[in-house]
Amino acid sequence: DAGITQSPRHKVTETGTPVTLRCHQTENHRYMYWYRQDPGHGLRLIHYSYGVKDTDKGEVSDGYSVSRSKTEDFLLTLESATSSQTSVYFCAISLLAGGLSSTDTQYFGPGTRLTVL
Amino acid sequence: QKEVEQNSGPLSVPEGAIASLNCTYSDRVSQSFFWYRQYSGKSPELIMSIYSNGDKEDGRFTAQLNKASQYVSLLIRDSQPSDSATYLCAGMDSSYKLIFGSGTRLLVRP
Repeated sequence: DAGITQSPRHKVTETGTPVTLRCHQTENHRYMYWYRQDPGHGLRLIHYSYGVKDTDKGEVSDGYSVSRSKTEDFLLTLESATSSQTSVYFCAISLLAGGLSSTDTQYFGPGTRLTVL
Repeated sequence: QKEVEQNSGPLSVPEGAIASLNCTYSDRVSQSFFWYRQYSGKSPELIMSIYSNGDKEDGRFTAQLNKASQYVSLLIRDSQPSDSATYLCAGMDSSYKLIFGSGTRLLVRP
């Protein structure tokens, strides 16, 4: 898992409640990503980070926010969860230390299964 | 057209056969390509990356890239039941973001 942990691994919550998912890495990787995976859609990028306090939006960022106050932690927050956010969420890291390049490779954490009732 | 397209399968092959997994991509995806294997309930695991036209071999796996036809494939030789999984094709866009296909489920019959 390239030194990546995610917590919680499973969560059931109700519509309208806030939810925060945590991605933790131990190897000082600069780039971190949040994806969601849904049947028929594959993996879709939500947000990514290229350093402490440096984040940007991905393809499906509406309804999500992120924060990265330390290199090792990348948090994904659903301010007010909706049933459409029921999904499996994966964190990923890039092994590159400098700028991104075409040889960048991403490695994934174990995932968090979120159910919004 | 989806940026990265895969047949959802399942692709069923007998043990010992060659499994051929295919992926097509749009103009938006132009840089590099990756194959990930994902077992049910698990996270994607990188198998192969390929950056230029031609073939790249690693053990029982061969990735093939044809940029003129916008086509990338993964061949698995001597398929084993343990190869049964979903295989995700991903391409990199011009800002180095990965765009994934929805995956092809492979079933290797003993």
